[in-house]
Amino acid sequence: GEQVEQLPSILRVQEGSSASINCTYENSASNYFPWYKQEPGENPKLIIDIRSNMERKQTQGLIVLLDKKAKRFSLHITDTQPGDSAMYFCAASASGYNKLTFGKGTVLLVSP
Amino acid sequence: GGIITQTPKFLIGQEGQKLTLKCQQNFNHDTMYWYRQDSGKGLRLIYYSITENDLQKGDLSEGYDASREKKSSFSLTVTSAQKNEMAVFLCASSPDRAHAEQFFGPGTRLTVL
Repeated sequence: GEQVEQLPSILRVQEGSSASINCTYENSASNYFPWYKQEPGENPKLIIDIRSNMERKQTQGLIVLLDKKAKRFSLHITDTQPGDSAMYFCAASASGYNKLTFGKGTVLLVSP
Repeated sequence: GGIITQTPKFLIGQEGQKLTLKCQQNFNHDTMYWYRQDSGKGLRLIYYSITENDLQKGDLSEGYDASREKKSSFSLTVTSAQKNEMAVFLCASSPDRAHAEQFFGPGTRLTVL
């Protein structure tokens, strides 16, 4: 099956700076890479995703990059705010039934 | 819009006990999932189902059974609870199309004494 590695496990940044989370995957057939955000006490919610026919996607202060050759994808949060503090999960999928393999998660802490 | 309901919210069991968790969704989604969330280990797929009465094993199916009684409901059974086990079980659903967003329920927190 697929394996997804996610780093770092904890990320502390100052408000207004940027934050980056990196993931790698093993299965070259993986073609869909979503990112989920889980706030304390809440369930995970999709925030952005990228398909294998793209290298970059941007929406509302979030940038996702995909390097298929290196089997690496990353999430970049620009101008972080305290409300960005949460657990972030990357995931990868190679099947048509949306079977996702998740990374272990990154706790992002944004301090004022 | 829709909602995913999981019952119970908290579940306390004894070692060796058989425990059942339930999930209902009113999105009319075809595919439903059960994940286990442990601190430091992310979300691991236990079972998923692409339609009523279908069952597919995930990466963590050993020690669990599941049942998709109807399109809107998907239940998970811990066949023999392990002592000192603590985890959150998350149910999710998605439409039957490639790369569809998965919507998660609020979770069931399991503690085994």
